[in-house]
This record gives sequence, C-alpha cells and structure tokens, in this order.
Amino acid sequence: DIQLTQSPAFLSASVGDRVTITCRASRVVSGDLAWYQQKPGKAPSLLIYSASTLESGVPSRFSGSGSGTEFTLTISNLQPEDFATYYCQLVNRYPQCTFGQGTKLEIK
Amino acid sequence: EVQLLESGEGLVQPGGSLRLTCAGSGFSFSNYGIHWVRQAPGKGLEYVSGISGDGVSTYHADSVKGRFIISRDNYRKTVFLQMGSLRAEDTAVYFCARDNYYDGSGQGGMNWYFDLWGRGTQVTVSS
Repeated sequence: DIQLTQSPAFLSASVGDRVTITCRASRVVSGDLAWYQQKPGKAPSLLIYSASTLESGVPSRFSGSGSGTEFTLTISNLQPEDFATYYCQLVNRYPQCTFGQGTKLEIK
Repeated sequence: EVQLLESGEGLVQPGGSLRLTCAGSGFSFSNYGIHWVRQAPGKGLEYVSGISGDGVSTYHADSVKGRFIISRDNYRKTVFLQMGSLRAEDTAVYFCARDNYYDGSGQGGMNWYFDLWGRGTQVTVSS
C-alpha cells in the first residue's frame, strides 16, 4: 500500500498570510490527489482534485500543485473562514483511497 | 436542494450489527457513485466503502472487508451500509459522499473524489 505523509500537523498563521501544506506519497503516484477542508462538527468539503483543479465555487486563493511523490496545497491571503483542518486524499488505480493525517490551521 | 442525508445512528455492542442509510435528493442519483468515509472521535478521515452508480462495482477498505456490505436502491435513491461483527474501533461518525464523476453512460465509472457530503451519523460500539 502507498503511505501518505501530510505535514505539518499544525500550522499557525495570521489573516493575510500565505501558507503551504505538503502531502508526500511513499512512491510515485499518478496525480490522483485531492484536498479537503473540514471545519469542527462539519463534513469535509472538496477544494482541489486531480492535484491542481479547483472545485467549482472554491475561492481562487486556494491552489494545488505537485506530481510524483510530493503535492502541495497553498492558501494565499488567508481569510478568517480558512482556519480549519485540511486533508489530502490519494487515489491509486487499485483502487485504493487514502487520506493524509490532517493539518490543523490555527489563527496566530 | 442537492443533498445527501445519512440515518441509522446507534449504539451497538461489540459483535453486533447496524445498517446505515444514505438518501440522495436534488440530483440524478443513479448516475453517481456513492462512498462512505468515517471519522473516529478526534481523528482523521478513513475511507470505508464505495459503490458505482449502477451498483455493479463495490469496494471496501481492508479494515472492513468481510464485515461491511455496501448496496444501493436507485429507485429509492438510497445507499445502504450493512455493518456486521462490529468492533470498538468502528466507533466513528460515518459520512456518505458523492463521487464527482457523472456517469452518463451508466458504465459505472468513478473518479474517487467526493464533491457532496452528508452531515454524518454517529456509530458507537460499546458494551
């Protein structure tokens, strides 16, 4: 099985900052990777899929990139509503679906 | 309104069974795969099971294989998760989620990205 390592586990930032969250796979994957945002007590919501495609309705300050074994989620100009927990999700062709451990983004 | 709604919440003893239901509305239900994802208290997300829009293909995580069965009734726009031989580690909020691939051909394709989620239903396994 492919292992996913998401980092950092916790991130402290201020409104207006730019932050990056990384997801690393244990071996090269095809790029079938997504990012989700989850707020306390709520279901996750899809932000990015296929590594870099922005889901409809998601603000353009969210962006995804990467290939091979390393993928990143970047949030530019942090807004108060962006403070949440973020998960990456890998899909391989087995199929196997794996989530990262999560990154909790907190207000500094 | 486009939505998914889970039901079937419950407290069950170890070794027991429970059936969860996911009802869809506001979209062409039979043209979408549906998945279950769970979240243990204070923990991250874990994929559980999935079923294609035509109901032909099903998938289960290794942690539930042989114990959980996913099925669907497209006439009633409902997906079921039959859970058996439940363990304490199955305690979690269970979310159903829609696959973001529109299977217009009815061939059971899925992308495995989840673009619509229900609010979740609590399953507690405890004696």
